[in-house]
Amino acid sequence: GAGVSQSPSNKVTEKGKDVELRCDPISGHTALYWYRQSLGQGLEFLIYFQGNSAPDKSGLPSDRFSAERTGGSVSTLTIQRTQQEDSAVYLCASSPRGQTFRGTQYFGPGTRLLVL
Amino acid sequence: AQSVTQLGSHVSVSEGALVLLRCNYSSSVPPYLFWYVQYPNQGLQLLLKYTSAATLVKGINGFEAEFKKSETSFHLTKPSAHMSDAAEYFCAVSRAAGNTPLVFGKGTRLSVIA
Repeated sequence: GAGVSQSPSNKVTEKGKDVELRCDPISGHTALYWYRQSLGQGLEFLIYFQGNSAPDKSGLPSDRFSAERTGGSVSTLTIQRTQQEDSAVYLCASSPRGQTFRGTQYFGPGTRLLVL
Repeated sequence: AQSVTQLGSHVSVSEGALVLLRCNYSSSVPPYLFWYVQYPNQGLQLLLKYTSAATLVKGINGFEAEFKKSETSFHLTKPSAHMSDAAEYFCAVSRAAGNTPLVFGKGTRLSVIA
């Protein structure tokens, strides 16, 4: 079946502009995660959605970052007033409900963001 | 808080040689442990996971990992390296049982020399 998809695959923007990154999770998966992968910091958790519960935003680095998940499916990560340090690969992952999967996360290919 | 340490940011082995990638977690036993692989310009692919059912876990592509509580380790091994194994490998732990964010190690880049 279809995996996690992300768009765009690459994004180049100018410092100060806003960007939106999109994630389509695997159909039926209840949990959705955003991570950031950068050279200096490795893989960092950003935000997590589980069903209809309030999202866990504990990993967002600043209030310029926000995310929403509409209809329990597609998610958009928004970065306002981008800075050069926001340049990274943004990875989305999803998980199904159920003990069988034991927290396994399935990752998309990522969006490579470059802020000039 | 959970943490993961991967020893060696870069490991180089000859084709056909043993692959050993090291991972240590913080002292509290996490519910789940994972190894993921990332090929260039791709997302992360699950290699294997530990869920307390068995200490020796077999994964895809001939990889396996052994959970050792006494050493707080979850090292990844493969008896014979193949050129196609060249990639970046990440060890990760879950914060809690169920669907929760993962905490990743810094990653180890594996090079395979012909």
